Amino acid sequence: QVQLVESGGGVVQPGRSLRLSCVDSGFTLNSYVIVWVRQAPGKGLEWVSTMPYDGRDKYYADSVKGRFTLSRDYSKNTVYLQINSLRLEDTAVYYCALTTVVSNSYYNPIDVWGRGTTVTVSS
Amino acid sequence: SYALTQPPSVFVSPGQTASITCSGDDLGDKYVFWYQQKSGQSPVAVMYQDDRRPSEIPERFSGSKSGNTATLTISGTQSVDEADYYCQAWDSTAAVFGGGTELTVL
Repeated sequence: QVQLVESGGGVVQPGRSLRLSCVDSGFTLNSYVIVWVRQAPGKGLEWVSTMPYDGRDKYYADSVKGRFTLSRDYSKNTVYLQINSLRLEDTAVYYCALTTVVSNSYYNPIDVWGRGTTVTVSS
Repeated sequence: SYALTQPPSVFVSPGQTASITCSGDDLGDKYVFWYQQKSGQSPVAVMYQDDRRPSEIPERFSGSKSGNTATLTISGTQSVDEADYYCQAWDSTAAVFGGGTELTVL
């Protein structure tokens, strides 16, 4: 059973940067895709970004494009979400989650979720 | 951008049937997924590909879709089912979520 553990959240001032980490339990299947989803206090789920296992392509929500960057360190089984130019509206719990693709098509649910890490942007 | 619409809240009495809808353009051409999120917890998938239930989810949960509207039905609703429920569909590589429905069992 794949497990995901996020870390790196904290309280930061607007305009500063933060790097979130997501450590997985060591999956290697090419069909795995990492998804980041965030949830602002009292609000719903919001998709942030998607990165297939090979890491060649990364996809971002318009609200974070140009400020958020995904990367992966295979030797550490870790995915990083670099967040720059933080805004008040980035305050949220950030979930690292997992889905699988079928022939590069997205037909499956997000069926593994981490417990989330909290980012608070405040002056 | 693609959007999914859910009712903000649904109220149900214990033992009765709760129905939560999710609508979106061309939803009939996409798979719909449903997640349950209890207070302070991570989401859990309770339905996938419109009407398929994970083995660990109770049989009282079922899913359906007609046209561009999907429905999550909970038969014989229990107090433990009180939670927020989100529908989700893939718009290419983006996971689109509905706004969520707060299910209250009273």
